[in-house]
Amino acid sequence: AQTVTQSQPEMSVQEAETVTLSCTYDTSESDYYLFWYKQPPSRQMILVIRQEAYKQQNATENRFSVNFQKAAKSFSLKISDSQLGDAAMYFCAYKVGNNDMRFGAGTRLTVKP
Amino acid sequence: GAVVSQHPSRVICKSGTSVKIECRSLDFQATTMFWYRQFPKQSLMLMATSNEGSKATYEQGVEKDKFLINHASLTLSTLTVTSAHPEDSSFYICSARDQGTGLAPLHFGNGTRLTVT
Repeated sequence: AQTVTQSQPEMSVQEAETVTLSCTYDTSESDYYLFWYKQPPSRQMILVIRQEAYKQQNATENRFSVNFQKAAKSFSLKISDSQLGDAAMYFCAYKVGNNDMRFGAGTRLTVKP
Repeated sequence: GAVVSQHPSRVICKSGTSVKIECRSLDFQATTMFWYRQFPKQSLMLMATSNEGSKATYEQGVEKDKFLINHASLTLSTLTVTSAHPEDSSFYICSARDQGTGLAPLHFGNGTRLTVT
């Protein structure tokens, strides 16, 4: 079974600073997809960034980037120049093909002004 | 971008009654939709996979007779919580994949907060 582990229940960052959220996963598949979702208090799931496992290059979306280490099964999210609006729950997720997504337990990010 | 509409956003019902939650893909077709449940301060847990024109596939531990899923068209899946009890109070989120893009991530509805009194 595939599992996703987020070992940081809570993280805090100063506004304008950089923070890294950790995620590891367990799978026997060679081709899969990884995602980071943001869930603000509204509970809406917002896609932050995604990575295809067959791509070696780390995905980047503006201030958000990932460090994808396939051999280590690690997929961390780096948020640069943190903003107050970045405060939310962040979920790491894993998906194979057309199947559903499996989520980690989440990391609550607090941004201090 | 692809939009998934979920309705209602909030519902309060009395114990023993049934509640129906709708999930619609607004600008794409979805042969498969997924229903998740999220307890406070916890992650999303998959309840079932809804397949258009066929029976839903339920995760282990999810009562299929209690959580009825119907996926009658390529744009609509419904989840009916039957004979609701207070322990069914939770946040329910549906998601769908745009079958036209294959590799796309799931698109999520805004969720339904169910409170059973």
